Parts: sequence; C-alpha cells; structure tokens
Amino acid sequence: EAQVTQNPRYLITVTGKKLTVTCSQNMNHEYMSWYRQDPGLGLRQIYYSMNVEVTDKGDVPEGYKVSRKEKRNFPLILESPSPNQTSLYFCASSRQGWGTGELFFGEGSRLTVL
Amino acid sequence: AQSVTQLDSQVPVFEEAPVELRCNYSSSVSVYLFWYVQYPNQGLQLLLKYLSGSTLVESINGFEAEFNKSQTSFHLRKPSVHISDTAEYFCAVSLAVLSGGYNKLIFGAGTRLAVHP
Repeated sequence: EAQVTQNPRYLITVTGKKLTVTCSQNMNHEYMSWYRQDPGLGLRQIYYSMNVEVTDKGDVPEGYKVSRKEKRNFPLILESPSPNQTSLYFCASSRQGWGTGELFFGEGSRLTVL
Repeated sequence: AQSVTQLDSQVPVFEEAPVELRCNYSSSVSVYLFWYVQYPNQGLQLLLKYLSGSTLVESINGFEAEFNKSQTSFHLRKPSVHISDTAEYFCAVSLAVLSGGYNKLIFGAGTRLAVHP
C-alpha cells in the first residue's frame, strides 16, 4: 500500500529537549516536504527536498532542521523545541515538485511543547 | 506571489442540502488549482484539481469545482451532502509556470464543513 508514515503520532515534550519526527514514504517519490498546521493559518511549509541531499527552506523554517540522506526518509529535527512549535505536523511526498502532481500526506504528528 | 483566500472558516449544513465552499486566489501568472480534504485525525487527501482544459472538474464522490479566471475563483460545490462529508477542506494553488525548478503549493486557511442530520 502506498503511504507516507510519520512517527510519533503524538508527543508531549518540554522546552529545550531535542526531538526528531520521522517520515518515510514507499512510493519512490523525489519530492518531500514538511508542513505545520495551525488553526486559522492552514498549512505552512517548513522545509522541502527535491531529492537526496537537496533541501531548502519553506516559509517557516526557524527552529527546525531536516536531512535527506535516503530517498525514502525525510526526518524533521527540533534541536531546542519551544512552546510556539506546538502544532500539528504533516509530512508529504510527490512524484515531482512541479506543482501539478498530487501530494501524499502522512497522518500527522501532534506535538505539544511545555 | 500567489495567495489563496477561503472565505468561510466554518460551514454548517443539513444532510442532503447543497453546499458551496468558496475559494479565491491571486496571482500574476497562470495557476494550477486544487482542493484537498482532511477527515478527522487524518492527513490531507487530494479531492480534485484543475490544470488545464475544461474549467469544470469533478471528484469521484460527487464534488465539483469550477475555475473562473475572470473572478479568480475555484469554488467547491456538492448538490447533496452526506454526514460522511464532514471534514476540513483546503483550497491550494501553485504556479503554472516553472519557477526555479520548483513550484510551491500554497494552501488556504481551510473551511470546516459540518453536516448535521
């Protein structure tokens, strides 16, 4: 089954404690991206990757890091989480990033930073 | 830069009634337009898209959207909704002209459709 898998689905942590949200896709997609979803703001892009070792900032990259060492994986790293990073996070992938293709989303990771 | 405005944050409706979720966009160049749906506790799924050709596009579950270039709109409609259509709906836009090898998808703030019995 084609899917994007995120872990953990739910996480409560404290300010400053490093955490990683993993994302894996089994569709051999080149393009992957992270979004955060906040009430009234829709989805905002954090980082994206066009291919292995190629990543770039989205609209709200501050406080986040990513890496793309393998095509299927695109982890999101919060080196020192703060309460304003409390949000619902989605990983997505697509066959290509030209804007015409369908984005496939994971089920989301709800993060609470105390 | 392109942007998307969803005019209603919430739309309550009774089962079997018609519904329209409004979406307007702004862009100086041609665009591609999308509607995504998010059911409770799930990720987003593509509902339908307009790339070119016929301005009226349809989904497999009875939704349709019409691209109106003069009004820069892409409203989503369904003539008769079901309880199972309760979800959040997101309009999205990307440029139809390749820009730097990557065209970002811009999402609206979402419209929560609540279908009541």
